[in-house]
Amino acid sequence: AQSVAQPEDQVNVAEGNPLTVKCTYSVSGNPYLFWYVQYPNRGLQFLLKYITGDNLVKGSYGFEAEFNKSQTSFHLKKPSALVSDSALYFCAVRVLQGNQGGKLIFGQGTELSVKP
Amino acid sequence: NAGVTQTPKFRVLKTGQSMTLLCAQDMNHEYMYWYRQDPGMGLRLIHYSVGEGTTAKGEVPDGYNVSRLKKQNFLLGLESAAPSQTSVYFCASAAVAGGPHTQYFGPGTRLTVL
Repeated sequence: AQSVAQPEDQVNVAEGNPLTVKCTYSVSGNPYLFWYVQYPNRGLQFLLKYITGDNLVKGSYGFEAEFNKSQTSFHLKKPSALVSDSALYFCAVRVLQGNQGGKLIFGQGTELSVKP
Repeated sequence: NAGVTQTPKFRVLKTGQSMTLLCAQDMNHEYMYWYRQDPGMGLRLIHYSVGEGTTAKGEVPDGYNVSRLKKQNFLLGLESAAPSQTSVYFCASAAVAGGPHTQYFGPGTRLTVL
């Protein structure tokens, strides 16, 4: 069965420092991976996705993610965190079997807190 | 474009009452989804639709029904609400063309069942 895990419920970073939000996945076959961000009382916003090709994917708001097939990971990164990056971050993997309508399986989310 | 919109934004129900949540998208997307979000559990798929007139069950379908009579609308119904259905509900839509179907989300409906 396909699954996604975000091992950290919360990540705390000082403004200006690099940040990493971790995600590991379990799929059979090649994965399609996504990162979404949710600001308080808002819906999820798409940040970036990995389909194939370059293992480093660049997305919105200066975020990037590194796909590592051997470690089955897709960690979200940013070189210099901003206070405004504080939000809930979700990793997701697309369900591949049959016509599943592009279904996604989400991790439980990681709360990122960036302090000034 | 408004993207994905949801109606209502908030609702309080008593146990046993019924209600319908409306999702509308103006992006001509084929796929639509209903999720619920509960603390510490991420998003869980309730039902989804791959096109007008078709629906399918997701991970947690019990107690919910859906309909997709028009391509742009996806309705989620609760026939007899229970306190366990207190949650935030999100609708999403995705296009078929262009690859792995990035989903675009609405702003959510916060439902409380007393």
